[in-house]
Amino acid sequence: EPEVTQTPSHQVTQMGQEVILRCVPISNHLYFYWYRQILGQKVEFLVSFYNNEISEKSEIFDDQFSVERPDGSNFTLKIRSTKLEDSAMYFCASSAVGMKETQYFGPGTRLLVL
Amino acid sequence: AQSVSQHNHHVILSEAASLELGCNYSYGGTVNLFWYVQYPGQHLQLLLKYFSGDPLVKGIKGFEAEFIKSKFSFNLRKPSVQWSDTAEYFCAVITNTGFQKLVFGTGTRLLVSP
Repeated sequence: EPEVTQTPSHQVTQMGQEVILRCVPISNHLYFYWYRQILGQKVEFLVSFYNNEISEKSEIFDDQFSVERPDGSNFTLKIRSTKLEDSAMYFCASSAVGMKETQYFGPGTRLLVL
Repeated sequence: AQSVSQHNHHVILSEAASLELGCNYSYGGTVNLFWYVQYPGQHLQLLLKYFSGDPLVKGIKGFEAEFIKSKFSFNLRKPSVQWSDTAEYFCAVITNTGFQKLVFGTGTRLLVSP
């Protein structure tokens, strides 16, 4: 069964550094998402992406964040100048045309900002 | 803003016991409802979903959920749990104003003792 994959599984970075989290969505999916879960809190929506542009973003997704689909398979989340409060598990998800509400999640990247 | 409440944060059951996990949402319009499960060390997996039609939906692994519109609820049930059902369970909703943005509850951690 096709799966969403994410790399790395864990990332430790210093405050102020830039990180790029990578996702490979399911191959025939065209809708992509990032969510995050701070330890002990809810899974929160960050951004959705379709047709090479952001379709919706939350108030969390400020200028510090950006997303990109650099090629036909990867979908990335860049966090510029990381802050301590960016420490969280970041989940990528994707969904198919015609079934866009049904999102399939990757295993997540655990980001720790020191 | 839309929100999802899961009132049970931790549930401990013995094998063969029946399970019901509560989920309530706050939104007056059309909703799509989901239950996701996260087994230890694994990613979020879709357990079942409700879009329209029969309010009693059946999912994988013997789980079912009932949508009661008048109560804004979508409770998850299983008649007889197994040790392998130990996991965290998340209720989530997409509203017709939220495009494909999933709004999650806080999750319920289920421990099934053999």
